[in-house]
This record gives sequence, C-alpha cells and structure tokens, in this order.
Amino acid sequence: DTGVSQDPRHKITKRGQNVTFRCDPISEHNRLYWYRQTLGQGPEFLTYFQNEAQLEKSRLLSDRFSAERPKGSFSTLEIQRTEQGDSAMYLCASSSSSDQPQHFGDGTRLSIL
Amino acid sequence: QQQVKQSPQSLIVQKGGISIINCAYENTAFDYFPWYQQFPGKGPALLIAIRPDVSEKKEGRFTISFNKSAKQFSLHIMDSQPGDSATYFCAASIKGGGADGLTFGKGTHLIIQP
Repeated sequence: DTGVSQDPRHKITKRGQNVTFRCDPISEHNRLYWYRQTLGQGPEFLTYFQNEAQLEKSRLLSDRFSAERPKGSFSTLEIQRTEQGDSAMYLCASSSSSDQPQHFGDGTRLSIL
Repeated sequence: QQQVKQSPQSLIVQKGGISIINCAYENTAFDYFPWYQQFPGKGPALLIAIRPDVSEKKEGRFTISFNKSAKQFSLHIMDSQPGDSATYFCAASIKGGGADGLTFGKGTHLIIQP
C-alpha cells in the first residue's frame, strides 16, 4: 500500500510534555497538509507545504506548534508544552498538484493525561 | 465562523433506500467541493468531488447535486448498503483541491439498517 503513512498511530503523554508526529506522503506528492480533528467534528486545516516550503498556516497553529518538511518528502509536526486541549486526531494529507484531490492518512491520535 | 454547514448530524436509512446529506457554504470564492467518507479509527477517504461549472456528478451509487445560486450541494447515496454506514463530511476549498486547505462540515453519522 502506497498511501499516506502516519506514525505513531496513538500517542499518550502527560500535560506539559513535547510530542512529535511524522507523516510520509504518497510518493511524488509535492503538497502536504496537516489537519486536526476533535471528536464529533470535521478536520480543521492547520498548515500546508509545497515541497519544503511552508506556504500557509491557520490561526489554529499556535506558537507551540511547529511543522517541518526539510527535504520535501516526509513532514513532522511538533507540539511543545502540550495542553489538555491538544487532545485530538492529527491528520496528514497529500496531493500531487493544485488540481488533484487530497488523500488522507489514518492519523495520530494524541491523548493528554 | 462556520463556513460550511452540514445537515443532518445523524441519519438512519433502511437498506436499499436513498441517503441524502446536505451542505451549505458561505464563501463564494470556494470552487471545489469534495465529499469524504470516514470509518472509525481511519482517516477520511475521498468519495466524489465537484466543481461549480457542473450541477451534478455521478460515480456509481454516489451523486453530488450542486446549486451555485443557493450555495448548496448535496450527496445522494442510492441503494444504500450496511457497508455505507460511516461518517460523511462535505468540504470546500478555494483554488482547487490541492492548493489550499479544505474547510470541512461537522459531519453526518449515517447508519444503514439491514
């Protein structure tokens, strides 16, 4: 299967700790997106990369959040000093061009104790 | 401000019936409207998508109807099957499907009764 891959699938951590998630997009997809989904809600856009350039950030992406895509392939999303409100599913998506749809991974579920 | 409003929140349909989910949007700059299906523990999977230059698009049992003047679009699932039981999300974006973040509705939990 060559779909979008996310790791880990589930992360449990204590409030105040830092966490990092990884996303591997579909091969040769140059666009990569991060979304957050809370229970009973639709995904909310966080940020977007075209190759290694981060082109757009949502106001939801506070200064505790940082995303990177250093070589234009995989991406990481780091949350520093986690808070209870950060508990959510973090989804990654990729697409091959502006005219093609976004394909999602199965997400990383973050639980803050 | 919720830019894409989805209804109903939940829906129960008998096997073989037609499931209809509706969405309304506010931003007239939206030009791409996909529907995603999500099963528990999985990410959203693209079902079907439409652009505002057509009023209807059909793929198998799934049809999108689009009303640009009313700023509404809907998903119809014909001959609904128990395997269609899932959460469905409508979404919208500007500049096509890949150039911008998608704005999602809150989802519809669909149950198909056998």
